[in-house]
Amino acid sequence: DTAVSQTPKYLVTQMGNDKSIKCEQNLGHDTMYWYKQDSKKFLKIMFSYNNKELIINETVPNRFSPKSPDKAHLNLHINSLELGDSAVYFCASSPRMGPANEQFFGPGTRLTVL
Amino acid sequence: GIQVEQSPPDLILQEGANSTLRCNFSDSVNNLQWFHQNPWGQLINLFYIPSGTKQNGRLSATTVATERYSLLYISSSQTTDSGVYFCAEDVGGSNYKLTFGKGTLLTVNP
Repeated sequence: DTAVSQTPKYLVTQMGNDKSIKCEQNLGHDTMYWYKQDSKKFLKIMFSYNNKELIINETVPNRFSPKSPDKAHLNLHINSLELGDSAVYFCASSPRMGPANEQFFGPGTRLTVL
Repeated sequence: GIQVEQSPPDLILQEGANSTLRCNFSDSVNNLQWFHQNPWGQLINLFYIPSGTKQNGRLSATTVATERYSLLYISSSQTTDSGVYFCAEDVGGSNYKLTFGKGTLLTVNP
């Protein structure tokens, strides 16, 4: 009965490759997010989607393309991976977009680019 | 821009000790959350607390929104409390997103 799940948990790949990370939530929430945690453990928003519509894109390179096929899924595709993309990527969801909405996080995907 | 400052950055305790972690934020708050990132990297929701006081077992939190700070209290600490504690706030406006502090690294020694 996992609330927010991500696959894969670990991803090791070469520079220049294209990879995807999948996220699913079974909480019935309308809003989903991607956050990036860098090597210093700093967490920063990348994208948010509300009812499959892109709401926030925090000046993320266009090599990163989120896709939301339905409200329960938000996938992250990364083209032409670079060394600096190595990080832990967290998916999150909240009931809706607006005040008084608690966000719930997935287990994270540790991406290592060699 | 929005700033979330946490203190102390690092804290080392002996098992059984109590501690207080602080979070100062620069703007009025719609949403304030405390998280524990355990040594395995999982982000665990501790409290959703835009105002007031909440308690959950040995942990409690208080947010004084008018003075723009929140406190997380850990009593009778255990080694499993080790990890990084983050506070994050959402100030609303046209976009809702959590802005995180840099965290407090807590080490509880046996």
